[in-house]
Amino acid sequence: QKEVEQDPGPLSVPEGAIVSLNCTYSNSAFQYFMWYRQYSRKGPELLMYTYSSGNKEDGRFTAQVDKSSKYISLFIRDSQPSDSATYLCAMNSGGSNYKLTFGKGTLLTVNP
Amino acid sequence: NAGVTQTPKFRVLKTGQSMTLLCAQDMNHEYMYWYRQDPGMGLRLIHYSVGEGTTAKGEVPDGYNVSRLKKQNFLLGLESAAPSQTSVYFCASSYSLAGGPQDIQYFGAGTRLSVL
Repeated sequence: QKEVEQDPGPLSVPEGAIVSLNCTYSNSAFQYFMWYRQYSRKGPELLMYTYSSGNKEDGRFTAQVDKSSKYISLFIRDSQPSDSATYLCAMNSGGSNYKLTFGKGTLLTVNP
Repeated sequence: NAGVTQTPKFRVLKTGQSMTLLCAQDMNHEYMYWYRQDPGMGLRLIHYSVGEGTTAKGEVPDGYNVSRLKKQNFLLGLESAAPSQTSVYFCASSYSLAGGPQDIQYFGAGTRLSVL
């Protein structure tokens, strides 16, 4: 079983739709969870950061972590064409662990 | 505010040629990383550094060498390039390994390398 699983998509939605992106993981030691957004031919940029379980909201974006189910989600409300990108989940266990474990990314297209 | 800068942006090599990719960060970060990104494989860690003068192997280190002579620079070398090294290479840096918001990795724009 891979440490982090992420549906690669592609996911295509109309402008204004609510988008749900998800990752599952197997390592119960993970406690820091991130979502990166990567535009075509660009480097990943941090979008959301959460620690342990719960929700975090930033504008149109909401990150959810359910550690009991080992499941994290990113919701995008009122999606815009500018949200079209690949979304990567990433996580680590903190402490002295340097390593970020990434999902393979989900390609999202928001159609005007 | 440049952040993480990678040079070159594009390169085409012939099999057996060598090259060095340069990463520079201006955020005074201690930790730096080299990844490669391939379709269907996601981001894979090649080598990393926890400070000036230190380097360590990641998941896929074979065929690559690195050096961190200055805190702000992290070099990735290919001594004898192979077609399997055709990829997009990303450098990243972060403030600390200790957990918390400081662990956020900041990425460069990438280097697209083709080995023929």
